[in-house]
Amino acid sequence: GESVGLHLPTLSVQEGDNSIINCAYSNSASDYFIWYKQESGKGPQFIIDIRSNMDKRQGQRVTVLLNKTVKHLSLQIAATQPGDSAVYFCAETHSGNTPLVFGKGTRLSVIA
Amino acid sequence: SAVISQKPSRDICQRGTSLTIQCQVDSQVTMMFWYRQQPGQSLTLIATANQGSEATYESGFVIDKFPISRPNLTFSTLTVSNMSPEDSSIYLCSVERGGGGYTFGSGTRLTVV
Repeated sequence: GESVGLHLPTLSVQEGDNSIINCAYSNSASDYFIWYKQESGKGPQFIIDIRSNMDKRQGQRVTVLLNKTVKHLSLQIAATQPGDSAVYFCAETHSGNTPLVFGKGTRLSVIA
Repeated sequence: SAVISQKPSRDICQRGTSLTIQCQVDSQVTMMFWYRQQPGQSLTLIATANQGSEATYESGFVIDKFPISRPNLTFSTLTVSNMSPEDSSIYLCSVERGGGGYTFGSGTRLTVV
């Protein structure tokens, strides 16, 4: 399939370890943030979101942390699996059907 | 949540020609968004398409190069005109799916030779 993220920073983790992917967002007025996973040959897939009135949100094996003071977002993946290997993007926007602005992305490589 | 069907999934085109990409949504949406993802890069917004009005283009993108149609609340097209190899990218459409979260089409992988 089409390669995505050839020039992106790469995070390599051992299978079973926890992964932390970081993102610095750009607009202090943004109030809605999303993490996406993009596998080779596919469009971005929604993982988890968080609004600016929260600083932490948990999903299944994933946690998003938001630090508005330093405009930082992180995605934590527990017990990383080979199927988690992909490129991960953070995205930000205002609420209300406005377009997303994407971060640069990180390639996660899981070592079996 | 909205489901988007995007066509074609990939194409190889001759320089100087044009390609029209289609996105069909399974529910009515106010806004549709078109993005470009150049090789090894993140997604960049091309334009926002609102039904019944002209699309709003981001800096660096112009209507003559990327004309957009939005004939109804479930459909939009993006045309890449007078293509050059620099237009080789993945093109994606997206909609806001209500209550937060944005859904993406599977993308069109364009190679210009």
